[in-house]
Amino acid sequence: AQKVTQAQTEISVVEKEDVTLDCVYETRDTTYYLFWYKQPPSGELVFLIRRNSFDEQNEISGRYSWNFQKSTSSFNFTITASQVVDSAVYFCALSEAPSGGYQKVTFGIGTKLQVIP
Amino acid sequence: DTGVSQDPRHKITKRGQNVTFRCDPISEHNRLYWYRQTLGQGPEFLTYFQNEAQLEKSRLLSDRFSAERPKGSFSTLEIQRTEQGDSAMYLCASSPRTLVQETQYFGPGTRLLVL
Repeated sequence: AQKVTQAQTEISVVEKEDVTLDCVYETRDTTYYLFWYKQPPSGELVFLIRRNSFDEQNEISGRYSWNFQKSTSSFNFTITASQVVDSAVYFCALSEAPSGGYQKVTFGIGTKLQVIP
Repeated sequence: DTGVSQDPRHKITKRGQNVTFRCDPISEHNRLYWYRQTLGQGPEFLTYFQNEAQLEKSRLLSDRFSAERPKGSFSTLEIQRTEQGDSAMYLCASSPRTLVQETQYFGPGTRLLVL
């Protein structure tokens, strides 16, 4: 069974600070996909990134960066120079390779980030 | 480029009433998913459609819940005889069919409150 753990339920930072959101996953598959989604107060889940299990290269997109380490089953997300608009709930998610035609996605419980001006 | 849309965005109903939600996926996406999200939790999978065929249902989807996607485009989720425990955000997502990997794109959700 697949599982995603986000140990940090709430984080508060002051604007312009860097913040890292932790994600640890469990899966028996050798092929799987990891995701991060952002959920602002409006409620819509916004896709941020997808990584597959064969690609451990870290990724940077503007102020966002992701650190994927298979050895520790972690897929952490760092926001550099945080802004008030980054305030949201962030979900880490995992899906295994397609079985029966679709990928079942398992979400963590989310980390609520509050950026204080 | 329109995203996934859901209607209504909010619904308040009394216990025992029936409610129906609609989801319009991204036009070229043939896969459609329904999730339920309760307060302080991540979304939980309810059901999956490929075109008009409902291929997977979670055990969370009790007999009071039914979902359809009659023409392989929009989908409806109906809850009969609503209970207070049904209060949650109902999210719809769609994705294109690919051989290996896919990303699910979510709509804004329908927030249901059962009084």
